[in-house]
Amino acid sequence: ETGVTQTPRHLVMGMTNKKSLKCEQHLGHNAMYWYKQSAKKPLELMFVYNFKEQTENNSVPSRFSPECPNSSHLFLHLHTLQPEDSALYLCASSQDWQIPYEQYFGPGTRLTVT
Amino acid sequence: AQTVTQSQPEMSVQEAETVTLSCTYDTSENNYYLFWYKQPPSRQMILVIRQEAYKQQNATENRFSVNFQKAAKSFSLKISDSQLGDTAMYFCAFSYNQGGKLIFGQGTELSVKP
Repeated sequence: ETGVTQTPRHLVMGMTNKKSLKCEQHLGHNAMYWYKQSAKKPLELMFVYNFKEQTENNSVPSRFSPECPNSSHLFLHLHTLQPEDSALYLCASSQDWQIPYEQYFGPGTRLTVT
Repeated sequence: AQTVTQSQPEMSVQEAETVTLSCTYDTSENNYYLFWYKQPPSRQMILVIRQEAYKQQNATENRFSVNFQKAAKSFSLKISDSQLGDTAMYFCAFSYNQGGKLIFGQGTELSVKP
Protein backbone atom coordinates (compact mmCIF):
# COMPACT_ATOMS: atom_id res chain seq x y z
CA GLU A 1 0.00 0.00 0.00
CA THR A 2 1.22 3.49 -0.76
CA GLY A 3 0.07 6.96 0.19
CA VAL A 4 -2.94 7.37 2.44
CA THR A 5 -5.53 4.62 2.70
CA GLN A 6 -8.95 4.70 4.32
CA THR A 7 -11.38 1.96 5.28
CA PRO A 8 -14.18 1.37 4.80
CA ARG A 9 -14.84 3.24 1.57
CA HIS A 10 -18.59 3.24 2.18
CA LEU A 11 -20.52 2.99 5.44
CA VAL A 12 -24.21 3.06 6.21
CA MET A 13 -25.16 3.26 9.86
CA GLY A 14 -28.18 3.93 11.99
CA MET A 15 -28.27 6.72 14.51
CA THR A 16 -27.80 4.33 17.42
CA ASN A 17 -24.86 2.44 15.93
CA LYS A 18 -21.21 2.70 16.85
CA LYS A 19 -18.66 2.45 14.07
CA SER A 20 -15.07 3.48 13.38
CA LEU A 21 -13.28 4.91 10.37
CA LYS A 22 -9.66 3.98 9.84
CA CYS A 23 -6.88 5.90 8.13
CA GLU A 24 -3.32 4.76 7.53
CA GLN A 25 -0.47 6.68 5.94
CA HIS A 26 2.62 5.04 4.47
CA LEU A 27 4.55 8.27 3.86
CA GLY A 28 6.47 8.66 7.12
CA HIS A 29 4.59 11.85 7.93
CA ASN A 30 4.17 13.26 11.43
CA ALA A 31 0.82 15.03 11.12
CA MET A 32 -2.60 13.60 10.33
CA TYR A 33 -5.96 15.28 9.77
CA TRP A 34 -9.66 14.50 9.57
CA TYR A 35 -11.86 16.57 7.23
CA LYS A 36 -15.58 16.50 6.57
CA GLN A 37 -16.75 17.14 3.02
CA SER A 38 -20.44 17.86 2.58
CA ALA A 39 -22.16 18.60 -0.71
CA LYS A 40 -21.98 22.25 -1.80
CA LYS A 41 -19.84 23.20 1.21
CA PRO A 42 -16.10 23.76 1.64
CA LEU A 43 -14.06 21.06 3.31
CA GLU A 44 -14.20 21.43 7.06
CA LEU A 45 -11.18 20.59 9.19
CA MET A 46 -12.21 18.46 12.17
CA PHE A 47 -9.07 17.32 13.97
CA VAL A 48 -5.30 17.66 13.70
CA TYR A 49 -2.76 15.29 15.23
CA ASN A 50 0.99 15.80 15.35
CA PHE A 51 3.22 13.03 16.66
CA LYS A 52 0.12 11.31 18.06
CA GLU A 53 -0.91 14.40 20.02
CA GLN A 54 -4.10 16.25 19.20
CA THR A 55 -3.24 19.83 18.30
CA GLU A 56 -6.62 21.02 17.07
CA ASN A 57 -10.26 20.20 17.64
CA ASN A 58 -12.32 22.43 15.43
CA SER A 59 -15.40 22.53 17.70
CA VAL A 60 -16.46 19.07 16.62
CA PRO A 61 -19.40 17.46 18.47
CA SER A 62 -18.45 14.79 20.97
CA ARG A 63 -20.25 12.11 18.97
CA PHE A 64 -17.05 12.15 16.87
CA SER A 65 -14.12 10.78 18.82
CA PRO A 66 -10.65 10.65 17.22
CA GLU A 67 -7.84 8.35 18.17
CA CYS A 68 -4.23 8.41 17.03
CA PRO A 69 -2.24 5.46 18.46
CA ASN A 70 0.87 6.30 16.39
CA SER A 71 1.95 8.64 13.62
CA SER A 72 0.80 6.23 10.92
CA HIS A 73 -2.72 5.46 12.08
CA LEU A 74 -5.74 7.62 12.74
CA PHE A 75 -9.24 6.55 13.71
CA LEU A 76 -12.54 8.34 13.93
CA HIS A 77 -14.99 6.67 16.29
CA LEU A 78 -18.63 7.42 15.59
CA HIS A 79 -21.62 7.06 17.92
CA THR A 80 -25.19 8.34 18.02
CA LEU A 81 -24.74 10.26 14.79
CA GLN A 82 -27.36 12.46 13.16
CA PRO A 83 -28.51 12.38 9.52
CA GLU A 84 -26.73 15.69 8.92
CA ASP A 85 -23.46 13.91 9.67
CA SER A 86 -23.79 12.09 6.34
CA ALA A 87 -20.80 13.22 4.28
CA LEU A 88 -17.48 12.19 2.80
CA TYR A 89 -14.85 11.95 5.53
CA LEU A 90 -11.33 12.56 4.30
CA CYS A 91 -8.11 11.74 6.06
CA ALA A 92 -4.89 13.54 5.18
CA SER A 93 -1.28 13.58 6.30
CA SER A 94 1.63 15.96 6.01
CA GLN A 95 5.25 16.07 7.00
CA ASP A 96 4.80 18.62 9.77
CA TRP A 97 1.71 20.28 11.20
CA GLN A 98 3.20 23.72 11.74
CA ILE A 99 4.53 24.34 8.27
CA PRO A 100 2.00 24.31 5.43
CA TYR A 101 3.54 21.53 3.43
CA GLU A 102 1.43 19.67 0.95
CA GLN A 103 -1.23 17.50 2.52
CA TYR A 104 -1.77 14.06 1.05
CA PHE A 105 -5.36 12.88 1.08
CA GLY A 106 -6.93 9.47 1.26
CA PRO A 107 -9.85 8.41 -0.97
CA GLY A 108 -12.38 9.08 1.78
CA THR A 109 -15.17 7.19 3.50
CA ARG A 110 -18.68 7.92 2.22
CA LEU A 111 -20.84 7.86 5.36
CA THR A 112 -24.62 7.67 5.28
CA VAL A 113 -26.54 7.99 8.53
CA THR A 114 -30.08 6.63 8.38
CA ALA B 1 -10.86 35.35 9.94
CA GLN B 2 -9.49 33.86 6.77
CA THR B 3 -11.92 33.07 3.95
CA VAL B 4 -11.54 31.62 0.47
CA THR B 5 -14.10 32.24 -2.26
CA GLN B 6 -14.50 30.45 -5.57
CA SER B 7 -17.23 32.21 -7.49
CA GLN B 8 -17.60 29.67 -10.31
CA PRO B 9 -19.45 26.54 -9.11
CA GLU B 10 -19.20 24.90 -12.56
CA MET B 11 -17.16 25.43 -15.69
CA SER B 12 -16.62 23.57 -18.92
CA VAL B 13 -13.93 23.70 -21.57
CA GLN B 14 -13.23 21.97 -24.84
CA GLU B 15 -10.34 19.58 -24.99
CA ALA B 16 -7.04 21.29 -25.92
CA GLU B 17 -8.33 24.73 -24.97
CA THR B 18 -7.34 26.93 -22.04
CA VAL B 19 -9.47 27.61 -18.99
CA THR B 20 -9.00 29.85 -15.95
CA LEU B 21 -10.52 29.15 -12.54
CA SER B 22 -10.94 32.06 -10.14
CA CYS B 23 -10.18 32.28 -6.44
CA THR B 24 -10.14 35.19 -4.05
CA TYR B 25 -9.24 35.15 -0.39
CA ASP B 26 -9.29 37.43 2.58
CA THR B 27 -6.62 37.60 5.25
CA SER B 28 -4.72 40.06 7.39
CA GLU B 29 -1.65 37.81 7.36
CA ASN B 30 1.37 38.86 5.33
CA ASN B 31 3.08 35.49 5.01
CA TYR B 32 0.91 32.62 3.85
CA TYR B 33 0.54 29.88 1.28
CA LEU B 34 -2.01 29.20 -1.42
CA PHE B 35 -2.84 25.91 -3.04
CA TRP B 36 -4.95 24.43 -5.79
CA TYR B 37 -6.14 20.89 -5.18
CA LYS B 38 -7.84 18.61 -7.69
CA GLN B 39 -10.43 16.02 -6.75
CA PRO B 40 -11.29 13.70 -9.67
CA PRO B 41 -14.50 11.67 -9.62
CA SER B 42 -12.62 8.85 -7.84
CA ARG B 43 -12.35 11.28 -4.87
CA GLN B 44 -8.60 11.15 -4.15
CA MET B 45 -7.62 14.78 -3.63
CA ILE B 46 -4.21 15.70 -5.03
CA LEU B 47 -2.15 18.87 -5.00
CA VAL B 48 -1.94 20.67 -8.33
CA ILE B 49 0.16 23.70 -7.48
CA ARG B 50 1.40 25.73 -4.53
CA GLN B 51 2.36 29.39 -4.14
CA GLU B 52 4.16 31.11 -1.28
CA ALA B 53 2.91 34.64 -0.73
CA TYR B 54 6.40 36.10 -0.34
CA LYS B 55 7.35 34.91 -3.84
CA GLN B 56 6.37 37.34 -6.55
CA GLN B 57 6.94 34.86 -9.34
CA ASN B 58 3.87 32.90 -10.30
CA ALA B 59 4.13 29.15 -9.78
CA THR B 60 3.91 26.81 -12.75
CA GLU B 61 3.63 23.03 -13.04
CA ASN B 62 3.61 21.80 -16.62
CA ARG B 63 0.19 22.80 -18.06
CA PHE B 64 -0.91 24.43 -14.82
CA SER B 65 0.00 27.97 -13.83
CA VAL B 66 -1.31 30.56 -11.43
CA ASN B 67 -1.87 34.28 -11.58
CA PHE B 68 -1.14 35.47 -8.06
CA GLN B 69 -2.15 39.07 -7.36
CA LYS B 70 -1.30 39.69 -3.72
CA ALA B 71 -2.69 43.21 -3.48
CA ALA B 72 -5.97 42.10 -5.00
CA LYS B 73 -5.94 38.86 -2.95
CA SER B 74 -6.56 36.88 -6.08
CA PHE B 75 -5.16 33.46 -6.99
CA SER B 76 -6.45 32.06 -10.28
CA LEU B 77 -5.49 28.77 -11.90
CA LYS B 78 -4.89 28.51 -15.62
CA ILE B 79 -5.02 25.11 -17.30
CA SER B 80 -3.53 25.06 -20.78
CA ASP B 81 -4.15 22.39 -23.41
CA SER B 82 -6.99 20.91 -21.34
CA GLN B 83 -7.21 17.12 -21.27
CA LEU B 84 -10.13 14.81 -20.49
CA GLY B 85 -8.29 13.74 -17.35
CA ASP B 86 -8.49 17.30 -16.04
CA THR B 87 -12.20 16.77 -15.39
CA ALA B 88 -12.51 17.16 -11.63
CA MET B 89 -13.52 19.38 -8.76
CA TYR B 90 -10.87 22.03 -8.13
CA PHE B 91 -10.40 23.54 -4.71
CA CYS B 92 -8.49 26.67 -3.85
CA ALA B 93 -7.01 26.58 -0.34
CA PHE B 94 -5.18 28.94 2.00
CA SER B 95 -2.81 28.27 4.87
CA TYR B 96 -0.49 30.20 7.14
CA ASN B 97 1.97 29.14 9.78
CA GLN B 98 -0.48 27.89 12.35
CA GLY B 99 -1.21 24.24 12.65
CA GLY B 100 -1.04 23.47 8.96
CA LYS B 101 -4.69 24.41 8.81
CA LEU B 102 -6.01 24.49 5.28
CA ILE B 103 -9.00 26.72 4.58
CA PHE B 104 -10.80 25.62 1.43
CA GLY B 105 -13.06 27.37 -1.02
CA GLN B 106 -16.35 25.85 -2.13
CA GLY B 107 -14.82 24.29 -5.23
CA THR B 108 -15.28 24.61 -8.99
CA GLU B 109 -16.46 21.60 -10.95
CA LEU B 110 -14.60 21.53 -14.24
CA SER B 111 -15.74 19.42 -17.18
CA VAL B 112 -13.44 18.93 -20.15
CA LYS B 113 -15.47 18.03 -23.23
CA PRO B 114 -14.10 16.07 -26.20
